[in-house]
Amino acid sequence: DQQVKQNSPSLSVQEGRISILNCDYTNSMFDYFLWYKKYPAEGPTFLISISSIKDKNEDGRFTVFLNKSAKHLSLHIVPSQPGDSAVYFCAATVSGNTGKLIFGQGTTLQVKP
Amino acid sequence: AAGVIQSPRHLIKEKRETATLKCYPIPRHDTVYWYQQGPGQDPQFLISFYEKMQSDKGSIPDRFSAQQFSDYHSELNMSSLELGDSALYFCASSFRGPLSTDTQYFGPGTRLTVL
Repeated sequence: DQQVKQNSPSLSVQEGRISILNCDYTNSMFDYFLWYKKYPAEGPTFLISISSIKDKNEDGRFTVFLNKSAKHLSLHIVPSQPGDSAVYFCAATVSGNTGKLIFGQGTTLQVKP
Repeated sequence: AAGVIQSPRHLIKEKRETATLKCYPIPRHDTVYWYQQGPGQDPQFLISFYEKMQSDKGSIPDRFSAQQFSDYHSELNMSSLELGDSALYFCASSFRGPLSTDTQYFGPGTRLTVL
């Protein structure tokens, strides 16, 4: 039972354009969501997070949007850069609990120069 | 800034052997998590420790055990290794005190290959 789903295995965008990565979840208990970026043979790097009390969080070129009613979140990268090419994982947890993260399957982003 | 340290980075073992993976959390972090990532899969939660006590357990085989020590580092012990144990093993740490955010920071991982 995949509680966090990233339905697009891959995404290709042109440098300078917007990248939009999507994530859906099924467990209504999740209230804290995170995006991680991962290069091959490295550990996931934390990018940005959002609590369920918000619907938007922005950090530089990265913005995460949360739609609780649709159980959907998205990561926007503007402008996209070639160095953004990596696998992006969406993760969810129940805050104040044990903290274990449930990950989506990941989306491979390729930003073309 | 100091990050999560994992050792070794690579490990090759034979079937039925034993392996020990080590994790050193970010200073002042009190919680350690272990995840397993198989080829082409998402990371799966194995086990976590808060203040040296086990706080949660996921899909961790009985052949595996782990603990967190007084200096907050953690070790994952894997016995009777099987071919299917070949994977990337990540350790993550977080601070769960007041005003914490549940954000976990990951180490570089240990790639375990069982032959």
